[in-house]
Amino acid sequence: SQQGEEDPQALSIQEGENATMNCSYKTSINNLQWYRQNSGRGLVHLILIRSNEREKHSGRLRVTLDTSKKSSSLLITASRAADTASYFCATVPGTGGFKTIFGAGTRLFVKA
Amino acid sequence: EPEVTQTPSHQVTQMGQEVILRCVPISNHLYFYWYRQILGQKVEFLVSFYNNEISEKSEIFDDQFSVERPDGSNFTLKIRSTKLEDSAMYFCASIKMNTEAFFGQGTRLTVV
Repeated sequence: SQQGEEDPQALSIQEGENATMNCSYKTSINNLQWYRQNSGRGLVHLILIRSNEREKHSGRLRVTLDTSKKSSSLLITASRAADTASYFCATVPGTGGFKTIFGAGTRLFVKA
Repeated sequence: EPEVTQTPSHQVTQMGQEVILRCVPISNHLYFYWYRQILGQKVEFLVSFYNNEISEKSEIFDDQFSVERPDGSNFTLKIRSTKLEDSAMYFCASIKMNTEAFFGQGTRLTVV
């Protein structure tokens, strides 16, 4: 089963606009994380939100978590061209092991 | 800041050859993982390693794959007889416990 599916698959916005990406998952989770990946590069951890948290902020990033709907959103405010990347939602299931399961990602393109 | 390091950054190998991908996880972390990302696709879990043994593995992690922590610092992924479809980015990750996973920069494996 798929765990952590993002939408939209691709998003194109103008610099200065906000970007919102959504993630849905199927099973109970321990925590949910968002990662960023520039083309062909490594994974950069952005933010972690635990199952008992509802919202978290880090700089221009805002993450929400709704465990009743099994969904999360990542908001990037005042986007910059340098934010262009793929963004992945990743969940750590609630049943032991702490492995991280990734969604397919949203490709964000910010036009200067 | 501590980081996970992977070597080599790029490996080209002939089909049928054995390859060993190396990782040095963060020293006080307890769980270690290998992931694979075929170009343009999602990051897929391969295997998790805890307490010197495999704790979980995916369907992808068949008999051609093995992992080892030979000396308490390195964590290796061996592919015994590479196939063309093994071409991908391989990421190593480690976590302490119930925190975000720290990923290495990846090894790009090209099987020709």
